[in-house]
Amino acid sequence: NAGVTQTPKFQVLKTGQSMTLQCAQDMNHEYMSWYRQDPGMGLRLIHYSVGAGITDQGEVPNGYNVSRSTTEDFPLRLLSAAPSQTSVYFCASSYSNRVVGYTFGSGTRLTVV
Amino acid sequence: AQRVTQPEKLLSVFKGAPVELKCNYSYSGSPELFWYVQYSRQRLQLLLRHISRESIKGFTADLNKGETSFHLKKPFAQEEDSAMYYCALSGEKLVFGQGTRLTINP
Repeated sequence: NAGVTQTPKFQVLKTGQSMTLQCAQDMNHEYMSWYRQDPGMGLRLIHYSVGAGITDQGEVPNGYNVSRSTTEDFPLRLLSAAPSQTSVYFCASSYSNRVVGYTFGSGTRLTVV
Repeated sequence: AQRVTQPEKLLSVFKGAPVELKCNYSYSGSPELFWYVQYSRQRLQLLLRHISRESIKGFTADLNKGETSFHLKKPFAQEEDSAMYYCALSGEKLVFGQGTRLTINP
C-alpha cells in the first residue's frame, strides 16, 4: 500500500498562476481532506469530501477549488495563486470520519512569489 | 461549530520530567478526540484516540467532558518526544488546534 500520495513535493509559483496539487489514496477511504499548515496557525481545513461526488468547504476555502470524481483522487486547485497561499499543504484520508483517525500524505511545500 | 484550542505554542521540559500538553474543545455533539504528532521533517501521525483509552509511547489522554478537555500526559519525558503535537476533534469534519511544539532538554 502506498497510503496517501501527494505530488509535487515542492512547487514555486508566480502570483496569478494556477496549479493543481494532486492527492491519491489506495486504501478505498471515503473521507478525504485538504489542510494547510502555517507557523502559529496549526492545520486549517480547506476543503473536505465524504465520498465521490461530495465536497464541502472547511475553515479557509477561499482561493481553492476541489472535486472528487473518484474515491481515490482528491485534487486541490489554486485558480490564481497569491503570496498568502504560501504554505505547506497536507492531504489526508480515512474510512471513518470519527473513530479511526486520518492517514496523512507527506505534504506539498508551495511558495508563491 | 467545532473548535480546538491548544493554549501553549511552545513547551520545554527536561528529560525525565512530567509532560502535559493542554487541549480544550468546543462541540455541541458527541466528540471524538485525537492527538497527532509530527516529528521533524515527517508527516503527521496519529498518536492516540480517546475512544481506545490506549497508551502510546508512554502518552495517555483522558477526555473530560465536564471541562471539555483532552490533555496529553506523559510521566517521564524522553528526548525523542521532541516534536509538534496537535489535538484534533472529529465531528462533521476533522479540525485541529494550533499545535504545541514540545522540546525535551537533556
